[in-house]
Amino acid sequence: DQQVKQNSPSLSVQEGRISILNCDYTNSMFDYFLWYKKYPAEGPTFLISISSIKDKNEDGRFTVFLNKSAKHLSLHIVPSQPGDSAVYFCAARAAGNKLTFGGGTRVLVKP
Amino acid sequence: KAGVTQTPRYLIKTRGQQVTLSCSPISGHRSVSWYQQTPGQGLQFLFEYFSETQRNKGNFPGRFSGRQFSNSRSEMNVSTLELGDSALYLCASSFQGRGTEAFFGQGTRLTVV
Repeated sequence: DQQVKQNSPSLSVQEGRISILNCDYTNSMFDYFLWYKKYPAEGPTFLISISSIKDKNEDGRFTVFLNKSAKHLSLHIVPSQPGDSAVYFCAARAAGNKLTFGGGTRVLVKP
Repeated sequence: KAGVTQTPRYLIKTRGQQVTLSCSPISGHRSVSWYQQTPGQGLQFLFEYFSETQRNKGNFPGRFSGRQFSNSRSEMNVSTLELGDSALYLCASSFQGRGTEAFFGQGTRLTVV
């Protein structure tokens, strides 16, 4: 039972353009959402988070949008840079600090 | 501020053996969680410790266990290793309870042969 889904396994974008990553969830008990960036053989790096009481959170080039009624969140990266090429995971929290992760989206930013 | 430290970084073990992995959280963080990452199953939650008590547990067999010490350092143990236990094991630390971000270590790559 996949409670958090990232339906796009990969995304290719031109440098300077916007990257939009999507994530859907099914569990209404999730009340905190996080995005992580990950390189192979390394631990995930925290990017940005959002509480379920908000619909938008912005930090530099990263903005996360939350649509609770649709159980959908998205991460916008503007402008995209070659160093952004990595796998991005969305994660959701329901109890304690247990995170449920999506399957990841591999982003390739072309120079 | 030092990040989350996991040791060792790489480990090769034989089927049937047991292994212990270590995690030192960020100073001041009291919550430590463990995750397993495999190509087929993605990132899966193993368990969480908070103030030396297991607070949450994922759907893993009893061969997977953990503990947390009074200084918040944590260990996880896998007994009777199976080939399918080969994975990247990640530790994450958080300051306290809900609404705080989890910061991950570099992970321990375990290979079971």
